[in-house]
Amino acid sequence: DVKVTQSSRYLVKRTGEKVFLECVQDMDHENMFWYRQDPGLGLRLIYFSYDVKMKEKGDIPEGYSVSREKKERFSLILESASTNQTSMYLCASRRQNSYEQYFGPGTRLTVT
Amino acid sequence: RKEVEQDPGPFNVPEGATVAFNCTYSNSASQSFFWYRQDCRKEPKLLMSVYSSGNEDGRFTAQLNRASQYISLLIRDSKLSDSATYLCVVGDLSGGYNKLIFGAGTRLAVHP
Repeated sequence: DVKVTQSSRYLVKRTGEKVFLECVQDMDHENMFWYRQDPGLGLRLIYFSYDVKMKEKGDIPEGYSVSREKKERFSLILESASTNQTSMYLCASRRQNSYEQYFGPGTRLTVT
Repeated sequence: RKEVEQDPGPFNVPEGATVAFNCTYSNSASQSFFWYRQDCRKEPKLLMSVYSSGNEDGRFTAQLNRASQYISLLIRDSKLSDSATYLCVVGDLSGGYNKLIFGAGTRLAVHP
């Protein structure tokens, strides 16, 4: 059974703080993704990685960066958190050339 | 115009009812189509893929109309456990990568 885990379910940070969100998958998937989900907007892709040390911008990369040093781990970094980054963050992974994605449980981030 | 559009609902139906959700997509070159299910405060999970010939999985039937760029999901004999948000998802080949585009979801509430 595929398992994608995220480091925190709930996080509260202050404006200007640096925030790290961690994601780990145990199925040796090549591709990993970070999305944010906001009411009425659906899931929007922030960044994705198709292999170790590789990354590609998604639709809304501004204010975020990512790191993938190991195949199983994909980190999302908010360099200087702002209130408009309050959201649900979802990590996902999938096998190369597959469309089916497996999601982690999500991290609800609140920036005050 | 959103790339994938869905009626947000909510659809409030009694147990045993038949309910249908529709979804339209804007990119005529889209290649793959899916329905994901998301329970309250949980991550999205793949419900079923949608094929041009239509496909059925138990009480669930999915249809695709490429000419009209329209996808549907029919749920027969609704159960209380069907209460969830249903995400219409379209797969595109973008920049050489398989990319999923999510609709904002349609909420279903099944009541006794």
